[in-house]
Amino acid sequence: QKEVEQDPGPLSVPEGAIVSLNCTYSNSAFQYFMWYRQYSRKGPELLMYTYSSGNKEDGRFTAQVDKSSKYISLFIRDSQPSDSATYLCAMGHTGFQKLVFGTGTRLLVSP
Amino acid sequence: DADVTQTPRNRITKTGKRIMLECSQTKGHDRMYWYRQDPGLGLRLIYYSFDVKDINKGEISDGYSVSRQAQAKFSLSLESAIPNQTALYFCATSDTGTGGDTQYFGPGTRLTVL
Repeated sequence: QKEVEQDPGPLSVPEGAIVSLNCTYSNSAFQYFMWYRQYSRKGPELLMYTYSSGNKEDGRFTAQVDKSSKYISLFIRDSQPSDSATYLCAMGHTGFQKLVFGTGTRLLVSP
Repeated sequence: DADVTQTPRNRITKTGKRIMLECSQTKGHDRMYWYRQDPGLGLRLIYYSFDVKDINKGEISDGYSVSRQAQAKFSLSLESAIPNQTALYFCATSDTGTGGDTQYFGPGTRLTVL
């Protein structure tokens, strides 16, 4: 079993839809959780960072962490074609000093 | 100018050749990383360095070596390239601070080994 599981997609939605992207993990020691966005032929860029459980909102993006279920989500409201990219979750803990990445979910938002 | 730069951006080489990929950063971060990305496998850590004198193997270091020439420079070498090292390679940096190990990535090098 992989330490972090992420559905590869692709996930296709129409413009304006609410998108839900998810990751599950097995290591209960993970304390901080991130979402990266990667456009084709570009490096991943940090989108959201969350420490421990709870929600964090930034514009159209909301990150949720449920440590009891070992499940994290990224919601995108009013999705735009410019949101079409691959979204990678990543997580770690202070004693680990490295990040573990999901394989990424490819999102396609059609006009 | 980009905070993390990688050279070259694209490289095609032949089996058995020695290849060096270079990474430079202006973020002032102590930690630097090399990853490779393959379809369906995601990002896999090759090597990481927490300062100039600290080099550590990642999960897939076989066939690779690194050099941390300065705080801002971290290079990855393939001593004798083989076709299954064809991949997208990323350099990343981080500064632990209080925010956890947030990593910032370069634009990537697309390497093809024939």
